[in-house]
Amino acid sequence: ETGVTQTPRHLVMGMTNKKSLKCEQHLGHNAMYWYKQSAKKPLELMFVYNFKEQTENNSVPSRFSPECPNSSHLFLHLHTLQPEDSALYLCASSQETGTSGYNEQFFGPGTRLTVL
Amino acid sequence: AQTVTQSQPEMSVQEAETVTLSCTYDTSESDYYLFWYKQPPSRQMILVIRQEAYKQQNATENRFSVNFQKAAKSFSLKISDSQLGDAAMYFCAYALNFGNEKLTFGTGTRLTIIP
Repeated sequence: ETGVTQTPRHLVMGMTNKKSLKCEQHLGHNAMYWYKQSAKKPLELMFVYNFKEQTENNSVPSRFSPECPNSSHLFLHLHTLQPEDSALYLCASSQETGTSGYNEQFFGPGTRLTVL
Repeated sequence: AQTVTQSQPEMSVQEAETVTLSCTYDTSESDYYLFWYKQPPSRQMILVIRQEAYKQQNATENRFSVNFQKAAKSFSLKISDSQLGDAAMYFCAYALNFGNEKLTFGTGTRLTIIP
């Protein structure tokens, strides 16, 4: 595997289900991100992890619970979701150096989530 | 807060022709980056080109070039010699010039290539 991979590619779940999205990066990066992409809306940053520590939570509802067990893996645990949570969930990673200058984010192919 | 606006939800261009996608942004900062990302049907977001705000020279990457107008806060993407593989959603994005800074995206422009 190369780059950033995400599983599953598609997920359909009911509002009472619990499921998890998985992201794995094979780039040796130290920062990982979750984004939500809804139709006709800009991508929304949800969470940022730097060196496995959460550094950003953009007022995301608690029904979304991230987990970063190591710098290569990122999960998004889902429970009691709403139909409006249906979207494409994108994972990204970057190598953060702690200095100025932009460090490119590399994206995975996303998980298309449908909540019934 | 920074915002990015793409006013063209859809564009189409004849194969081998040139097309320009528009983007405007709003920021009170002076040191930042601007990007164009491409999202093909495979859904994987790919960086096409980036521009550092402190550089006056417009960035170019092969058939892709930008027109960066800092005072007007405008950042358009020109695709020359359009190819069928250029068909995708194109997103304009902004980030401050620090490490690990969040990307702020526009709503995207769907580009169709007409054979």
